[in-house]
Amino acid sequence: SQKIEQNSEALNIQEGKTATLTCNYTNYSPAYLQWYRQDPGRGPVFLLLIRENEKEKRKERLKVTFDTTLKQSLFHITASQPADSATYLCALRGGGYNKLIFGAGTRLAVHP
Amino acid sequence: GAVVSQHPSWVICKSGTSVKIECRSLDFQATTMFWYRQFPKQSLMLMATSNEGSKATYEQGVEKDKFLINHASLTLSTLTVTSAHPEDSSFYICSARPGQGPGLADPSGEQYFGPGTRLTVT
Repeated sequence: SQKIEQNSEALNIQEGKTATLTCNYTNYSPAYLQWYRQDPGRGPVFLLLIRENEKEKRKERLKVTFDTTLKQSLFHITASQPADSATYLCALRGGGYNKLIFGAGTRLAVHP
Repeated sequence: GAVVSQHPSWVICKSGTSVKIECRSLDFQATTMFWYRQFPKQSLMLMATSNEGSKATYEQGVEKDKFLINHASLTLSTLTVTSAHPEDSSFYICSARPGQGPGLADPSGEQYFGPGTRLTVT
C-alpha cells in the first residue's frame, strides 16, 4: 500500500543547531515533493517544492533533498530559532492529476 | 499575494443542523479548490476536489450527500456539512492553486491554504 512516513516523535533541538526532518514514502513515484509548515490551529503554509530531477533545493535557511532511489526527502533548517517551532508536513502528488497526499507531520521544538 | 480565506474560523452547532464553510481566493482565480479534514495530531486528509462549474470529486469514503460542495465562481467554494453529528467535529481546511485546471501539462505547484475552520458539533 502507499505510505508517507514522517517521524511521529517530536524533534527537540537547541537554538542555533540544524534541524533535520525525514520523509519516507513507499509505492509512489512522485514527480515532485513539497514541504509545508503548520502552526497549531492554522492551515499549512507552503515552504519548498523539489522535483524528481533535483537533488537539492535551498531557500534562505531551509534545504531540501530528494533521493528517488531511497524514496526519501530530508528537510533541514540551519541556525534554527525558537520561531521555527511548528509541525512540518511533507506532501507528494498521488492519485489524480493534482492531488496532494500529506504525511502526518513532525513537530519541531527549538529551545532557546 | 496568493491569499486564501475561510469563514467562519470556528463554529459550534447542534447535532442535526447544517453548517456552511466558505473558502475564498482573495487575489487570484482558482479553477480548482480542495477540501481537507484534519483530526488532532493527524495529517490532512483530502475530502474532495472542487472544480469551478462542475461537480466535485469526492475521495473514497467521503459521503457526498453529507458534505455538499459548491464551486460557484473562480474565487469561491463552499462546503456544507449536512445533519452534522459530533463525529464530524474536526478542523476543515481548504486550499487553492492559482490558475490551474484539468488538462494542463504541468500541474505541479504549491497550494495555498486557508486558515482553517474549527467545527464543533454538540
